[in-house]
Amino acid sequence: QAGLTQPPSVSKGLRQTATLTCTGDSNNVANQGAGWLQQHQGRPPKLLSYRNTNRPSGISERFSASRSGNTASLTITGLQPEDEADYFCSAWDMRLSTWVFGGGTKLTVL
Amino acid sequence: EVQLVESGGGLLQPGGSVRLACAASGFTFSSYAMKWVRQTPGRGLEWLAYISGSSNIINYGDSVKGRFTISRDNAKNALYLQMNSLTDEDTAVYYCARDLFDLWGQGTLVTVSS
Repeated sequence: QAGLTQPPSVSKGLRQTATLTCTGDSNNVANQGAGWLQQHQGRPPKLLSYRNTNRPSGISERFSASRSGNTASLTITGLQPEDEADYFCSAWDMRLSTWVFGGGTKLTVL
Repeated sequence: EVQLVESGGGLLQPGGSVRLACAASGFTFSSYAMKWVRQTPGRGLEWLAYISGSSNIINYGDSVKGRFTISRDNAKNALYLQMNSLTDEDTAVYYCARDLFDLWGQGTLVTVSS
């Protein structure tokens, strides 16, 4: 099934800012909104944001999400070692009538 | 504690069947739609099925339509996934997740192999 496009890996230094991207199309990200999940090795995914910009309670303000057209973005400021994880985006695809995910971006904090 | 706990995974034969269960606690289960999602190293995250709180709306991803059945028992705070006609491509970690993906279980591994 069609999915969302994410870069496979991003590397940034400690205390720097990382911006992860997720590209879809008019059937998903552009009109249905996107969410972001964080997954540490061996752990289940954890919701970081939903419906483009909403952050669940308990999620650090260092994580902020946005959307512009077909592309959703997750910005992580003041990178910490514990931010090293896989990050997945998700969206409802109204043409496919299915939830779609990105392939994930592995964030390395140097 | 708000949590989801999956069970039922294991080693299964091709063509076989299994029912996964997801036990919910710490929240009003019947008020939430639920989903099943699986994850493999090669194919990443894949949404499988959705069920509304009252079970009146159910839908499936194309790869499992006609083979998998999602159901729930709100009296038991339980979600289920009946999986039939298994193939090796169904080998994955299976997660249950609350509607907005805001709560996930720890996952249960299903391995399909002869």
